Amino acid sequence: DGGITQSPKYLFRKEGQNVTLSCEQNLNHDAMYWYRQDPGQGLRLIYYSQIVNDFQKGDIAEGYSVSREKKESFPLTVTSAQKNPTAFYLCASSIGRQASLHFGNGTRLTVT
Amino acid sequence: GQQVMQIPQYQHVQEGEDFTTYCNSSTTLSNIQWYKQRPGGHPVFLIQLVKSGEVKKQKRLTFQFGEAKKNSSLHITATQTTDVGTYFCAGPSLYQKVTFGTGTKLQVIP
Repeated sequence: DGGITQSPKYLFRKEGQNVTLSCEQNLNHDAMYWYRQDPGQGLRLIYYSQIVNDFQKGDIAEGYSVSREKKESFPLTVTSAQKNPTAFYLCASSIGRQASLHFGNGTRLTVT
Repeated sequence: GQQVMQIPQYQHVQEGEDFTTYCNSSTTLSNIQWYKQRPGGHPVFLIQLVKSGEVKKQKRLTFQFGEAKKNSSLHITATQTTDVGTYFCAGPSLYQKVTFGTGTKLQVIP
């Protein structure tokens, strides 16, 4: 079945450590996205990528980094510079411009 | 930058009552998308509206896109407990950046 896989589902880290969240899709979608969701809040865009080897900052990119070396993969690194990293992270993809988004199951990151 | 607001933020209804959430964008949208997120889950795409004034129905759900393409609404007739969740609208910009609304959390009381 085609879809988006995010791993792990739950992730725990100590403050000051960088952590990388995985996002893999086999939908052959060109565009991929990372969103952050805090409890009771909406989705805020961190980074997005329209094509391999290209990505743009979203609304809250500070403290995060991404890469898009392969069409299928869009990993997100939460660096120690991110002041409040504990959140629910959602990866999504779309077939192209203006198209709807298909989401993964998300990763719940807890930093203590 | 583009801002997308939704009202109300929360809504509690008795099962069988109707429910409406409204979405307003600070900029004109090329299209509007609606998503539903169940508690503990991820957003799931419901529908996309493209044309000014467009109305689409999915069983008990009615979606409308405003004439100016800056606002939209979702109306649920005779709510059921399965309708519980948070409903988000989303509007893509010209550069593929997709901004989500603030969401409306629906609670249905049996």
